[in-house]
Amino acid sequence: EAGVAQSPRYKIIEKRQSVAFWCNPISGHATLYWYQQILGQGPKLLIQFQNNGVVDDSQLPKDRFSAERLKGVDSTLKIQPAKLEDSAVYLCASSEQETQYFGPGTRLLVL
Amino acid sequence: QKEVEQDPGPLSVPEGAIVSLNCTYSNSAFQYFMWYRQYSRKGPELLMYTYSSGNKEDGRFTAQVDKSSKYISLFIRDSQPSDSATYLCAMKNSSASKIIFGSGTRLSIRP
Repeated sequence: EAGVAQSPRYKIIEKRQSVAFWCNPISGHATLYWYQQILGQGPKLLIQFQNNGVVDDSQLPKDRFSAERLKGVDSTLKIQPAKLEDSAVYLCASSEQETQYFGPGTRLLVL
Repeated sequence: QKEVEQDPGPLSVPEGAIVSLNCTYSNSAFQYFMWYRQYSRKGPELLMYTYSSGNKEDGRFTAQVDKSSKYISLFIRDSQPSDSATYLCAMKNSSASKIIFGSGTRLSIRP
């Protein structure tokens, strides 16, 4: 069974630029999550989708972050404009029931 | 005060030693407790999942939950160099609620 795929793996941008991350969950998983993991911290949930609907986006900074899952399969997370404090690993996870399976993450550095 | 507190380490022990990793928490509503392992430049991987208080054993790993003390532990017996990773505790109120992660403990097993 293929795992959660994410791209790109690494991205370096300058502040105020925009960036987008892509996630393809495990086939058949209805629930998809985006997390932000700052160095030395645990992952923090940004947004949770159930199929193509948003379940929880309470910790998503909506003035600069957006996410979509149009067909209920893959998803994109966008930051526009980026700030220095957005430097982190962005993890995507998917689940069918209780267990969340994480992708390898996209490491973002904002200069 | 953070909802979940975890000593960041690093913790270095010789191969074959018993490792004890711990977390404390403040939210008495937490019912589900998890331990994730995260290798460098990888996403977290679920190791143990327990509900309410008690012990759960899986091979060399044992998870303990003491809800009266708001304290959870992960024990690793006969530790191996391949166990070297960051260990994240995590918990949630209900099966459907979002996961709150600790900041992770970096563990190194010396050959």
